[in-house]
Amino acid sequence: DTEVTQTPKHLVMGMTNKKSLKCEQHMGHRAMYWYKQKAKKPPELMFVYSYEKLSINESVPSRFSPECPNSSLLNLHLHALQPEDSALYLCASSHLRTVGNTEAFFGQGTRLTVV
Amino acid sequence: KQEVTQIPAALSVPEGENLVLNCSFTDSAIYNLQWFRQDPGKGLTSLLLIQSSQREQTSGRLNASLDKSSGRSTLYIAASQPGDSATYLCAVNGGTSYGKLTFGQGTILTVHP
Repeated sequence: DTEVTQTPKHLVMGMTNKKSLKCEQHMGHRAMYWYKQKAKKPPELMFVYSYEKLSINESVPSRFSPECPNSSLLNLHLHALQPEDSALYLCASSHLRTVGNTEAFFGQGTRLTVV
Repeated sequence: KQEVTQIPAALSVPEGENLVLNCSFTDSAIYNLQWFRQDPGKGLTSLLLIQSSQREQTSGRLNASLDKSSGRSTLYIAASQPGDSATYLCAVNGGTSYGKLTFGQGTILTVHP
């Protein structure tokens, strides 16, 4: 099973709403990632979790709050977003380098629209 | 800072042609390089991973090569089909242990019947 599952697939939220994106994998990967992709652009890294601890925050605004409750789950909590935050949010997972093959597997993404 | 460039930005070919997509990167201190396919509005599908110690990898009609010293990788697609139409992204895994990927801008491939 090389599947990364993201929910929901689509989300429309107002600027005062609070919502969460969810990501799940069962490949035993101990590194999980959030990427943001704007239209016609490549994905850009937001956060990296390794062994359920936040390892990298690419200077992401605090209105995005990641959480890794266990080794299979990754959440992204959203609050007070701006219309320019509308994008495809991609979750990915991989083994850590100390394990060897760090091939990254991506989910299908959540298409977020902020109105 | 690692920079990844893909050429061409777009490519349109008739069905059955063999084609080559190019990827170059500025910092040769990479751990591996990965090629992905992305259909419109969808996530990324991993096609091939080449470790820094490898020269090439093959999967079906796909062959990816890596020349780390010159900072180049190519993705060769044999006997292209309309179903191959998608955006192809190369991504470099650099010098951290966390698998941070730096992506190129992608090549939009259209294969017409």
